Amino acid sequence: NAGVTQTPKFRVLKTGQSMTLLCAQDMNHEYMYWYRQDPGMGLRLIHYSVGEGTTAKGEVPDGYNVSRLKKQNFLLGLESAAPSQTSVYFCASSYAGQETQYFGPGTRLLVL
Amino acid sequence: GESVGLHLPTLSVQEGDNSIINCAYSNSASDYFIWYKQESGKGPQFIIDIRSNMDKRQGQRVTVLLNKTVKHLSLQIAATQPGDSAVYFCAEPLFGDTGRRALTFGSGTRLQVQP
Repeated sequence: NAGVTQTPKFRVLKTGQSMTLLCAQDMNHEYMYWYRQDPGMGLRLIHYSVGEGTTAKGEVPDGYNVSRLKKQNFLLGLESAAPSQTSVYFCASSYAGQETQYFGPGTRLLVL
Repeated sequence: GESVGLHLPTLSVQEGDNSIINCAYSNSASDYFIWYKQESGKGPQFIIDIRSNMDKRQGQRVTVLLNKTVKHLSLQIAATQPGDSAVYFCAEPLFGDTGRRALTFGSGTRLQVQP
């Protein structure tokens, strides 16, 4: 049981490039989340999904898109990366109706 | 602004001492709180939670206290060990666009355990 996994672990992008971060969970959780964490700050919710085919905006959604085509996967896309998107990105998942979230190890993204 | 925040950014304790990490919240209707531990280079890990119908909840070496009167909660770690060194976050569910609840996190307190 791998829990929540994220790929890649680290990536460097140039301004304007695009990329997709992949999150996978094998716990059959209904809900999935994407957060970003900046130095000295807590986690801020980007987007989340309460089920396959549904997504919703979080606190800081601008510049990001997400898709939940399969229950176990949640993709975070950056269409045109900006230096302000340099951060560590965490994916999390949870059972429906339960607030306790389980986090992945994070993806460190550097945008030059 | 954030509804969940922390009083101290860094807490340094001696190994074997007890640690107390504090958290304030602003929404008096909040009914559930979670503490997470984040070690360097890792994702947050669930430690303990508490519902608003409780004042205290105990786990293994950890206790969370909730004071609804002053909207404050604390995480107490007994006999702090080097492995407890991490950043600790309190988190609170808030309703999102779909009406479902997502978590909002405070900025964290770094706990440093001195040998």
